[in-house]
Amino acid sequence: GQGVEQPDNLMSVEGTFARVNCTYSTSGFNGLSWYQQREGHAPVFLSYVVLDGLKDSGHFSTFLSRSNGYSYLLLTELQIKDSASYLCAVRAYNYAQGLTFGLGTRVSVFP
Amino acid sequence: EAAVTQSPRNKVAVTGGKVTLSCNQTNNHNNMYWYRQDTGHGLRLIHYSYGAGSTEKGDIPDGYKASRPSQENFSLILELATPSQTSVYFCASGVLGNAEQFFGPGTRLTVL
Repeated sequence: GQGVEQPDNLMSVEGTFARVNCTYSTSGFNGLSWYQQREGHAPVFLSYVVLDGLKDSGHFSTFLSRSNGYSYLLLTELQIKDSASYLCAVRAYNYAQGLTFGLGTRVSVFP
Repeated sequence: EAAVTQSPRNKVAVTGGKVTLSCNQTNNHNNMYWYRQDTGHGLRLIHYSYGAGSTEKGDIPDGYKASRPSQENFSLILELATPSQTSVYFCASGVLGNAEQFFGPGTRLTVL
């Protein structure tokens, strides 16, 4: 089976950064995705990582350590509009089966 | 631009009634998915499909059926709706091997 864990909430200040952690346990691993979900809206894809290390995508970066079952999403130069829930999702070997999502971390950015 | 649409956007049903949620995608993606999202549970996979004519059970299929009559359309059917099926339902599409899924806007279903 698979389990994906994330902290419930995270608060940060505009112009600084926020790191959203994700830990997972899975019998088969074939990559991890991050999604942003604003209140009342659908999830929107941000990033996918399958190899260890840091992947820089500009406003945000994603890190993966497969041996530790750990990933994080790093949001830099935070803006108020970055306030949203961020969902971590693990893809199994049989990737056509869809994704196993964590509950999401609600990030609140304050002035 | 990828496009996934769902109808209806809101639905109120009575216990024991039949409910059909529809999803249409213009991405020409092979795979389509139905999730429900509830507070405390996150997004959970109900059914998925590899292509027209195929449906597969996801993690929580009990009480739900699915139909994929074409590449573009994927329906979720609640034959006998129950209050426990009150939730927000999301449809998504994706290409096999692609961890990027495109979600529809969601359907808020209330079963009284």
